[in-house]
Amino acid sequence: DIVLTQSPDSLAVSLGERATIRCKSSQSLLDNSNNKDSLVWYQQKPGQPPKVLIYWASIRESGVPGRFSGDGSGTDFTLTISSLQAEDVGLYYCQQYDRSPWTFGQGTKVEIK
Amino acid sequence: QVALVQSGGGVVQPGKSLRLSCAASGLTFSDSAFYWVRQAPGKGLEWVAMISYDGHKKDYAPSVKGRFTISRDNSRNMVFLQMDSLRVEDTAVYYCAAPRLFFVVFDHWGQGDLVAVS
Repeated sequence: DIVLTQSPDSLAVSLGERATIRCKSSQSLLDNSNNKDSLVWYQQKPGQPPKVLIYWASIRESGVPGRFSGDGSGTDFTLTISSLQAEDVGLYYCQQYDRSPWTFGQGTKVEIK
Repeated sequence: QVALVQSGGGVVQPGKSLRLSCAASGLTFSDSAFYWVRQAPGKGLEWVAMISYDGHKKDYAPSVKGRFTISRDNSRNMVFLQMDSLRVEDTAVYYCAAPRLFFVVFDHWGQGDLVAVS
């Protein structure tokens, strides 16, 4: 099974500052058929299901603010919020869709400092 | 607009059974695979089961294989999760989820349904 390890488990960032979350995979997520990495980032707010932010590791979902960006390839990935806003508070998860069982990182809690 | 409306959760004793339902609308149901994903209290997300668009392929997480059964009724646009031999560690909010075509990225989620085994 592919294990995804996120870091940190939680972080507190001042409004307007940068927040960076890392996701490390135990195996490469590169899809050789299209040269893209099978990794998605979700945001989850309390009492709500997750929402897609970034897929193929770096493609921003339609409607997602430009301050969210994804980077990385192979086994190491990052999600960056360039200027944290109050509405960005919540949990963030990475998930791989390279192969079953479809696995998630343990989550990172983002708070306002 | 896609809507996945769940029902069937509740409190159940260890060893008992429960069936979750998910009614889908706003998408071509017979073209879509469906998944169940759960989230234990204060914990992360865990994929539980999947069923292909035609019901011929099913897959389960090792933690539930042999105890849970996923099924679908294409005539009623519904997906089910039959949960038998429930354990305390199965306590979680269960989400019905529909992925985008060809890739297991969960675009659409139900509202979540709490299953408490106690």
